[in-house]
Amino acid sequence: ILNVEQSPQSLHVQEGDSTNFTCSFPSSNFYALHWYRWETAKSPEALFVMTLNGDEKKKGRISATLNTKEGYSYLYIKGSQPEDSATYLCAFANTGTASKLTFGTGTRLQVTL
Amino acid sequence: ETGVTQTPRHLVMGMTNKKSLKCEQHLGHNAMYWYKQSAKKPLELMFVYSLEERVENNSVPSRFSPECPNSSHLFLHLHTLQPEDSALYLCASSQDSLAGAGELFFGEGSRLTVL
Repeated sequence: ILNVEQSPQSLHVQEGDSTNFTCSFPSSNFYALHWYRWETAKSPEALFVMTLNGDEKKKGRISATLNTKEGYSYLYIKGSQPEDSATYLCAFANTGTASKLTFGTGTRLQVTL
Repeated sequence: ETGVTQTPRHLVMGMTNKKSLKCEQHLGHNAMYWYKQSAKKPLELMFVYSLEERVENNSVPSRFSPECPNSSHLFLHLHTLQPEDSALYLCASSQDSLAGAGELFFGEGSRLTVL
């Protein structure tokens, strides 16, 4: 059974704060790591798909890094805004089950004014 | 028009009913998926279809029966469900079935309540 752990479970920050979350996954047979953002009553939307150790991706104020050797990824949000409030999911695929993404339970972020 | 559309958005059914969830994607993708989201649990893969062939059945009970008549449509037929099957069912699609290689595009989900 593949285990994907996300921390913290939830986070409450003020507008303007920068924050980061962690996703841990098995380091063997790595294939890909995904980050999704899921706003309440909407569908999950992909933020990043990362496949190479040392990958660093950025989309606006959001960025992510990947360490496949030690099995973790960080998601950073710079200058949080209320519209960043959502649940952030990471998902992992290994080479044995490349058609199957295993999701973590997510980090729920709330940004207040 | 959204890329992945699910109907119905909400469904209440008794344990003896037969109902179906429908998913349609307008993205020209070759792979489609059913995921289940139960309270306080991670998204759980149920089925994967690639080019209308089932490539993954993640030990799902037979009371859930998927159908993929073409690459744009995916159904989940429900029969004699249990109250613990109450959950949000999400459909997704991707360019191909190597899900790790490309992002998933999700629908908004069908919220199922089994009485």
